[in-house]
Order: sequence, then structure tokens, then C-alpha cells
Amino acid sequence: ILNVEQSPQSLHVQEGDSTNFTCSFPSSNFYALHWYRWETAKSPEALFVMTLNGDEKKKGRISATLNTKEGYSYLYIKGSQPEDSATYLCAFTRTDKLIFGTGTRLQVFP
Amino acid sequence: NAGVTQTPKFRVLKTGQSMTLLCAQDMNHEYMYWYRQDPGMGLRLIHYSVGEGTTAKGEVPDGYNVSRLKKQNFLLGLESAAPSQTSVYFCASSYPGRAYEQYFGPGTRLTVT
Repeated sequence: ILNVEQSPQSLHVQEGDSTNFTCSFPSSNFYALHWYRWETAKSPEALFVMTLNGDEKKKGRISATLNTKEGYSYLYIKGSQPEDSATYLCAFTRTDKLIFGTGTRLQVFP
Repeated sequence: NAGVTQTPKFRVLKTGQSMTLLCAQDMNHEYMYWYRQDPGMGLRLIHYSVGEGTTAKGEVPDGYNVSRLKKQNFLLGLESAAPSQTSVYFCASSYPGRAYEQYFGPGTRLTVT
């Protein structure tokens, strides 16, 4: 059984704070690591796909890094806004499937 | 293009009843997936299909059956619903070898009383 672990489970921050979360995954037979943003009552929205060790991706105020040798990825949000409130999921590609972590639920207060 | 659609959006069942959830995609994707989402559990794969006529078990297949008779449709069946199957069910699809680029449906909220 493959475990994809995310921490923290939930996070409450003030508007303007920067924050980061961690995703840990099996480092052997790595193929790709994905980050999704998931708002309540909506479908998950793909943020990043990362495949290479040392990859860094950025989308507006959100960025992610990847370390495949030690099996972790960080997601950073700079200057959090209330509209960033969502659950952030990471997922590990295993052949034809995605194995999802349990998510980090972020709440940004004005 | 409608993308991935799911029917129904909401359903309430009594224990022991059966039902079928329908997922349809119009992107000509070979691969289709059924997930369930529960608080604190993220998304867990129930069953998936890599092509018409094929299905495979995911992480939590017990209590569910699936069929992929047509490429564009993936059906998830509950033969005898249990309260533990109360969840939000998401369908997704992707091109072969591109499981990393899954397109998700809007979800079906199922309550079993």
C-alpha cells in the first residue's frame, strides 16, 4: 500500500500571511506528483504536475517544489487571501492511477 | 464540450436499496475512474477502467461494482447500500498514460440512511 501523507491536516491563517504545506510520498519508482486545489462543492482543480527532482512551479501567488530523492513536495502560498480557502490535495502517480493524500484544509480569515 | 458529467447530483437511499451512478465524458478519454471523498480521507479510488469493456479494483472496491460498456460511460453500482457508503462520489477521466491529467466531474452526494 502506498501512502501519500500531507501535513498539516488543517491550517487557519490571517489574510496576508504566507503559508506552506508538505506532501510526503514514496521516493521509489517516482513518476509524477500533482497538486490540486479543491473548493467545497466543486471538482478538484489541477494546480501543478511535477516530474523532475528540483522542479519548481509557480502560478500567481502559489508555488511548489519537488524533492524526489527524499520524497516530499512543498506548496507555498504568498500573501494568503480569503479566496485561497480550500483543501489542497497532493497525489502521486502510480501506473494508471493517482494515489491522493488526505489534503490540507486551509482557511484564510479577513 | 460538457467534459465530465455525473448523474444524479444528489441521492438519498435507505439501507439495502440499490442504485447506479452514471459518469459520462465527451473527450474520448480511454481511462475513467470512480473516487469517493470522505472527511479527513481525501480522495480514495474505488474502481477504474483503462478502456471499454475493462475494469479494475482501486483502494476501496468492496460493496461497489462497475461497468464500462461504452467508452464514454462508466457506471458505479451499489447493490445493497450501507450507511458506510454515505459519501461524495467523483468520477474522472484521462488519456492513456496521462493519469496525472485527470478531468473531474462535479460529484454526486449520496446519503444512505
